[in-house]
Amino acid sequence: DAGVTQSPTHLIKTRGQQVTLRCSPKSGHDTVSWYQQALGQGPQFIFQYYEEEERQRGNFPDRFSGHQFPNYSSELNVNALLLGDSALYLCASSLAGQDLPEAFFGQGTRLTVV
Amino acid sequence: DQQVKQNSPSLSVQEGRISILNCDYTNSMFDYFLWYKKYPAEGPTFLISISSIKDKNEDGRFTVFLNKSAKHLSLHIVPSQPGDSAVYFCAASEEYGGSQGNLIFGKGTKLSVKP
Repeated sequence: DAGVTQSPTHLIKTRGQQVTLRCSPKSGHDTVSWYQQALGQGPQFIFQYYEEEERQRGNFPDRFSGHQFPNYSSELNVNALLLGDSALYLCASSLAGQDLPEAFFGQGTRLTVV
Repeated sequence: DQQVKQNSPSLSVQEGRISILNCDYTNSMFDYFLWYKKYPAEGPTFLISISSIKDKNEDGRFTVFLNKSAKHLSLHIVPSQPGDSAVYFCAASEEYGGSQGNLIFGKGTKLSVKP
């Protein structure tokens, strides 16, 4: 049973560029959340997708956008990259409607903006 | 304004002894709490959780205690093993639309278990 998979694992981009990160949820999961983890910090919630719609959003600018596909996989897009966007981006999947849902995380995408 | 705080950045424990990791929160609407373990170059791995209606949950060597009046929870690992060395994150969430909402994480505590 494949867990949460993310691609790519590492990425280097230049300021001002755009980037797309991808996530396939754990089998049977229908909800995907994205988190940004800066060095020395805990993961920070970006947004959550359920039934192909953004369900919740954290305190991130509109440069961060996403999408969920009918097969529940998801993309995170970041436009006009800033140096401060350099971080580990984590995708987590879960199953909606559960009383005590545990979110399962992927290994993350390390984004470096130069 | 941090809603979930882990005030100890690091903790060092001898193998076989108890490790106690602490976490405080400020949002009284949180109703679900989780602990994750993270090794370098890997994503966080779910460890154990507790609902706000309970004050203790145990799973093998891991026990989580919740004190709602103090807005405090702790993770006990007994006995500690060298393989437990990792960064431990405390996370909390509140109900959203009938399901659990997004997770709010602390900054983590790096546990080192020495042989």
